[in-house]
Amino acid sequence: GENVEQHPSTLSVQEGDSAVIKCTYSDSASNYFPWYKQELGKRPQLIIDIRSNVGEKKDQRIAVTLNKTAKHFSLHITETQPEDSAVYFCAASYGMDTGRRALTFGSGTRLQVQP
Amino acid sequence: GAVVSQHPSWVICKSGTSVKIECRSLDFQATTMFWYRQFPKQSLMLMATSNEGSKATYEQGVEKDKFLINHASLTLSTLTVTSAHPEDSSFYICSAGGQGSQPQHFGDGTRLSIL
Repeated sequence: GENVEQHPSTLSVQEGDSAVIKCTYSDSASNYFPWYKQELGKRPQLIIDIRSNVGEKKDQRIAVTLNKTAKHFSLHITETQPEDSAVYFCAASYGMDTGRRALTFGSGTRLQVQP
Repeated sequence: GAVVSQHPSWVICKSGTSVKIECRSLDFQATTMFWYRQFPKQSLMLMATSNEGSKATYEQGVEKDKFLINHASLTLSTLTVTSAHPEDSSFYICSAGGQGSQPQHFGDGTRLSIL
């Protein structure tokens, strides 16, 4: 089955700096890669996702890049703010019907943005 | 947008009790729902895939006789933790996706504490 590795496990940055979180996956059949933000005791919230037919996607301060050859994808957050502090999870699945495919999650990155 | 409702949000009960958790898709039909378990400071681990009108598919190592899943309608899946013990204490989260390439949406999760 799929295995997703995520680094770093913790990340501390100064407000305004950029943060980068990296994930690698093992199954070349995976073609859908969402990123979730989870605050303590709450549900994971989808912040951005990318499919394997594109190499990069951006939404305001958040961007995700995908390298299919190397089987890794990264989350980039620019101009970080204290409210970005949370745990971020990458995930992977396959197929076009992504609503019906289980996700394999990375181990999570605890991001702390220092004011 | 798609909403997944999960109840209860918090349960505290004695060892040996059975606990039922409900997951509802409020504004869409979900033929497939997923149940995840998350221990403190860890990632989400898939427990089982719940299929409407058929038996659930359990991940390796998850006891199907202990974690009973019923998906009787297109909007409701239930997870029953039978004869719960302290080691079953965890955060249980369901997710569901709509049609096609729509992303999955998570419920608010249920924090289960077994005394």
